[in-house]
Amino acid sequence: DAGVTQSPTHLIKTRGQQVTLRCSPKSGHDTVSWYQQALGQGPQFIFQYYEEEERQRGNFPDRFSGHQFPNYSSELNVNALLLGDSALYLCASSLGVGRIREQFFGPGTRLTVL
Amino acid sequence: SQQGEEDPQALSIQEGENATMNCSYKTSINNLQWYRQNSGRGLVHLILIRSNEREKHSGRLRVTLDTSKKSSSLLITASRAADTASYFCATDGGGSEKLVFGKGTKLTVNP
Repeated sequence: DAGVTQSPTHLIKTRGQQVTLRCSPKSGHDTVSWYQQALGQGPQFIFQYYEEEERQRGNFPDRFSGHQFPNYSSELNVNALLLGDSALYLCASSLGVGRIREQFFGPGTRLTVL
Repeated sequence: SQQGEEDPQALSIQEGENATMNCSYKTSINNLQWYRQNSGRGLVHLILIRSNEREKHSGRLRVTLDTSKKSSSLLITASRAADTASYFCATDGGGSEKLVFGKGTKLTVNP
């Protein structure tokens, strides 16, 4: 039973560039959430996707966008990268929406912006 | 913004000792969860406690919740070196499905 997978593991970009991160949810899960974790901080919610639509969004600018595919996998896109976007990006999957549930996290993608 | 605040920020103990971490939050919640993170990698879910529960056990873990004080504690008994990690509490913010994390407690268990 495959858990949540993310790619790539590490990524180095320069300011102004664009980046795409990918996530495959745990088998049987249909909901994907993305979090940003700066060094020494707890994760912060970016947005959640269900049925290929963004359901909830945290306090992040429009430079952060996402997509969910029919197979439930998801992408996180960040445009016009800033130094402050350097962080660990975590994907979490769960089953369904509308009730309390456990989220399963992937290993994360560490993005460094130079 | 982060809702939870873990206390202490860092904790160092010897193997076999108990470790207690505390979490305070600001708004009403439906549930509170604890997660572990090793070396800045993915988070592992430890335990979920609902707002109408006061205490929950899972193996060597004991979680308490006091909604009147908006606080929770995580107790790890008979700690092991493998318990060395950062521990985060996360709340649902009173019905939202997003998790709101604190800054975490970094636990070091010395052999």
